Amino acid sequence: DTGVSQDPRHKITKRGQNVTFRCDPISEHNRLYWYRQTLGQGPEFLTYFQNEAQLEKSRLLSDRFSAERPKGSFSTLEIQRTEQGDSAMYLCASHASGSYTDTQYFGPGTRLTVL
Amino acid sequence: SQQGEEDPQALSIQEGENATMNCSYKTSINNLQWYRQNSGRGLVHLILIRSNEREKHSGRLRVTLDTSKKSSSLLITASRAADTASYFCATDARNYGQNFVFGPGTRLSVLP
Repeated sequence: DTGVSQDPRHKITKRGQNVTFRCDPISEHNRLYWYRQTLGQGPEFLTYFQNEAQLEKSRLLSDRFSAERPKGSFSTLEIQRTEQGDSAMYLCASHASGSYTDTQYFGPGTRLTVL
Repeated sequence: SQQGEEDPQALSIQEGENATMNCSYKTSINNLQWYRQNSGRGLVHLILIRSNEREKHSGRLRVTLDTSKKSSSLLITASRAADTASYFCATDARNYGQNFVFGPGTRLSVLP
């Protein structure tokens, strides 16, 4: 257990539905990252927050995706009008900027299946 | 394409043997990190090597970095069945306009 939690762990939804995932980072970490990972591939960067500010978004993050981090604590990732291609593992990681180790601590992930 | 590329894509060895995985990348980096992922789980950080370092050790792990060749290697000595996992390198190139970028990984199987 890295101290980063994600909820839910699994989500099955029908195409066209909206889904929302939550990530609770390590409390003293000010940076939070979202990644998407498909089978047999490495994680792909989606977006990251420094405190409550969303500083960067990948071009992979279409307008159906939105992420928030109110108050700089937990974060949510919402996917609207889900498509079968959205099926993947969604990983959250937290990181303390300025730390010597620069280590990202990953949560267990939310596995999304879009039918 | 992704910044990091691991080689080989898959590796199968006997328990007790050493496993070597390689990672190549394209742009200048701040540091390079190796992560392990057991099937269906999150990633676990193994080791970080900075751009001004050439070699680091952590237990049975040895990482090298050659910035002139833009490559790194991860050596696991005296492998165990519990080492069976996917291993990813991730480059931190935030000073060069990129966030952490992961390669596709090497899937290691250690047979008892």
